[in-house]
Amino acid sequence: DAGITQSPRHKVTETGTPVTLRCHQTENHRYMYWYRQDPGHGLRLIHYSYGVKDTDKGEVSDGYSVSRSKTEDFLLTLESATSSQTSVYFCATKTGSATNEKLFFGSGTQLSVL
Amino acid sequence: GNSVTQMEGPVTLSEEAFLTINCTYTATGYPSLFWYVQYPGEGLQLLLKATKADDKGSNKGFEATYRKETTSFHLEKGSVQVSDSAVYFCALDRDDKIIFGKGTRLHILP
Repeated sequence: DAGITQSPRHKVTETGTPVTLRCHQTENHRYMYWYRQDPGHGLRLIHYSYGVKDTDKGEVSDGYSVSRSKTEDFLLTLESATSSQTSVYFCATKTGSATNEKLFFGSGTQLSVL
Repeated sequence: GNSVTQMEGPVTLSEEAFLTINCTYTATGYPSLFWYVQYPGEGLQLLLKATKADDKGSNKGFEATYRKETTSFHLEKGSVQVSDSAVYFCALDRDDKIIFGKGTRLHILP
């Protein structure tokens, strides 16, 4: 599988503070995604990137921003964390745009906002 | 916008029972369709996929057929095992924007 590293693996923060989660990949995949996983909601797409400096919104992008300055790194920032953003965050990558491409997932970041 | 709807869980079956997990989608054009599985304590992994109408994806005894006329991609297995207990997610890829359903938790009893 693709070498995808998410950091940190766990984080506890307070309401109102900014938080940045990092996704690092070693496979030179073009596409990168951020999802959140919550009970009863499955996986919801936050933002995704189709290249360096090319990003787009997903289903639940409010309160989140992303940046991709290098192919290997995709950062997710919670501008002012709220308790509703307590979740498990997954990064995923995809090689290209062929119709048979699959996603490779990182191990997830457990974020708790108190 | 695009969306994926899965049957609510949890689904509880006895070993060797027949499994169906329903999935329907809404999308413009012709998305690719996927089933991913998440075993306890693990990340998601691809189970099977189909990229055009009438394609059948299959893996590990699971099958799903891309039905354009009913916008469906139902997951089936003829005889489930305890090891199939997991959460199953239906997903679509349309122009590289990948959307998942809410997931269906499956419990298999020995």
